[in-house]
Order: sequence, then C-alpha cells, then structure tokens
Amino acid sequence: SQTIHQWPATLVQPVGSPLSLECTVEGTSNPNLYWYRQAAGRGLQLLFYSVGIGQISSEVPQNLSASRPQDRQFILSSKKLLLSDSGFYLCAWGPGQGTSRETQYFGPGTRLLVL
Amino acid sequence: GESVGLHLPTLSVQEGDNSIINCAYSNSASDYFIWYKQESGKGPQFIIDIRSNMDKRQGQRVTVLLNKTVKHLSLQIAATQPGDSAVYFCADLSGGSYIPTFGRGTSLIVHP
Repeated sequence: SQTIHQWPATLVQPVGSPLSLECTVEGTSNPNLYWYRQAAGRGLQLLFYSVGIGQISSEVPQNLSASRPQDRQFILSSKKLLLSDSGFYLCAWGPGQGTSRETQYFGPGTRLLVL
Repeated sequence: GESVGLHLPTLSVQEGDNSIINCAYSNSASDYFIWYKQESGKGPQFIIDIRSNMDKRQGQRVTVLLNKTVKHLSLQIAATQPGDSAVYFCADLSGGSYIPTFGRGTSLIVHP
C-alpha cells in the first residue's frame, strides 16, 4: 500500500530564516505531487504541483519554491521566511493515471510558525 | 472564478443520528467529486468519490449523492459516532484536471 511522509511535524522559525520541508511517497511510482497551505479556519490553497521529476508548476506567486529531485520526493523551500508563511503545510500525492487518476491523498502535514 | 462552497460551516448532531453535509459547486464542467475528512491537527483523509455519470455511491456508513441539475453534492453519514467529529471538505475537478477546487469545510460535532 501507498504511504506518504512529511517532516518535520512542527517547526518554529524566525522571520528571515530559510525553510526546507520534505515529503516522500512510498508504494507507488511516478505520482503527481502537490504542496498545499492551510491557514487556520481556512480552506486548502494549492502552492505547487509536479507531474514528474524536475517538473514544477507554481499556482501562486510568493517567496516559496518547490523541487522534485527524485520521483517520490517533493521539497518545499524558502530562502527567507515571512510572518505570513505561518500555516499548516500539506503534501499530497495522486496516481495521475488509472480510474481514479485525479484523486489526491494527503500526508500528515507540517505546522509552521514563523516568529 | 468558480469555486466549491459549503452551505453550513458547523453541524451538530447527537451520537447515533444520521448526518448530512452539503456542498454546492458552480463549475458546470465539474465531473469528479471527492469528500475528505480532516481531524484536528491531521491531514485530510479521503472518504469517498463520485463521478458525474453516477447519482449515488455508497461506502462504509457513508453515501455520497450528486445532483447535477442543481450542482449539489451531499455526504450522508449513518449512525454518526464521536469519532466522526471532524471538518469535512468537498472538492471538484473538471475535464481530467489534476487540480481540485476545495471548499472551506464543514465542522461536524457529534455529541454523546
């Protein structure tokens, strides 16, 4: 079966510091990968998605970036965090093919607090 | 832009009752719908999905109903339990897109 991991689970960072959040998927190959942010009491905002290694699509302009160095690894980064970057970051994977190709399955999330 | 919305932000029910969570969507091209459950501090969990060529789909204690005429989607939970307390999201996709539109969510509170 497929599993998705995110770390760290929680993170407290000062304003202006760098960020690196990692997401890995097991049990599948060539998945679609996604990064979302969820503010408190709000819905899910898609940040980036990737349909293959090195292929990144950005949905919103911001000081965040994403990379996919390996098939089942997705990294969210920032060179300098802003207070507004605080939130709950969720990684998701999707089959990208087959009968339920559009379905997305979420990881446990990383709660980021920028002070 | 078009988006998926939810009718009620909070739904309170008694344990054992049936729960109905509603969702309205506005994109007439939407053809795939998903319900997620998100417990506090956790990532959303896939519950059930339905395609536009179906009106109803059943899972374990859950049923999703789709009314394409009025662009309405509902999630029915039978014999609601305290463990069902969570925020429930609906999402829609259209035309083979991999990018869903999520609603803000409905908070389901189950009282013992």
